Amino acid sequence: AQKVTQAQTEISVVEKEDVTLDCVYETRDTTYYLFWYKQPPSGELVFLIRRNSFDEQNEISGRYSWNFQKSTSSFNFTITASQVVDSAVYFCALSEESAYKLSFGAGTTVTVRA
Amino acid sequence: DTGVSQDPRHKITKRGQNVTFRCDPISEHNRLYWYRQTLGQGPEFLTYFQNEAQLEKSRLLSDRFSAERPKGSFSTLEIQRTEQGDSAMYLCASSIAGFRDSPLHFGNGTRLTVT
Repeated sequence: AQKVTQAQTEISVVEKEDVTLDCVYETRDTTYYLFWYKQPPSGELVFLIRRNSFDEQNEISGRYSWNFQKSTSSFNFTITASQVVDSAVYFCALSEESAYKLSFGAGTTVTVRA
Repeated sequence: DTGVSQDPRHKITKRGQNVTFRCDPISEHNRLYWYRQTLGQGPEFLTYFQNEAQLEKSRLLSDRFSAERPKGSFSTLEIQRTEQGDSAMYLCASSIAGFRDSPLHFGNGTRLTVT
C-alpha cells in the first residue's frame, strides 16, 4: 500500500502567485517523521523540512510554510509569492519508527512562469 | 564542495553488461543509503550501510545488484547483466549516526540508460 500520496502531478502558476502542495500519508506507527524535499532540474534532492509526529505546530521559513494535521494525515506545503527558481519537483516523504528509510510520494512538478 | 558526490553522472550501457557506480558521502557521515528513482516517480529505497556494515536491503535489490562500503567511507553499487528495466537514476545519500539525528543529504545521482 502506498504510504505517501501526492495527488497533484503538476501545478503551473505565474510568478508571485501562492502555490500549495498536498501530501497525505498512511502509517500505523505513533512515532514517525515527515519530510519535504525539492528536486530541481539538476537532479539533486534538497532537504527542506523534517517534522516529527508529536509536533503539529505549523512552521514558516521565509516564503515556505508547512501545515501538519494529524487528524487528516496531511502535511501540506505552501510557497508564498512564487519565483521562477521555485520550479522543481517537490517530494513528500515518510519515515516510520521501525525503519531507517524514507518512503517518498510520486512528487509534484511545480512550474513557475515569469 | 563537501556534499555527497556520485560518479559517473551518466552511464549508457548495453543490455547484459555490468556497471559500477561510486558514491562518496559527506566525510563525517557514518550512514550511507542507495535509492533508485524511475521517471515520474519518487525515489525508492534500495539499501543502507552503517559504517562498513550493510544493515538492510530492499526486495527491489535483486541478486544482480550488489553494494559495498569496504572501509566505511565510499560505496559502490554494481549491477550485473543489466536489463532495460534497470534504467533509472541511482541516488546516494548520507547522514550522521541515527537517522533521526540528521536528514539525508543526497547526491546528484547517476543516470543509467540500458539500451
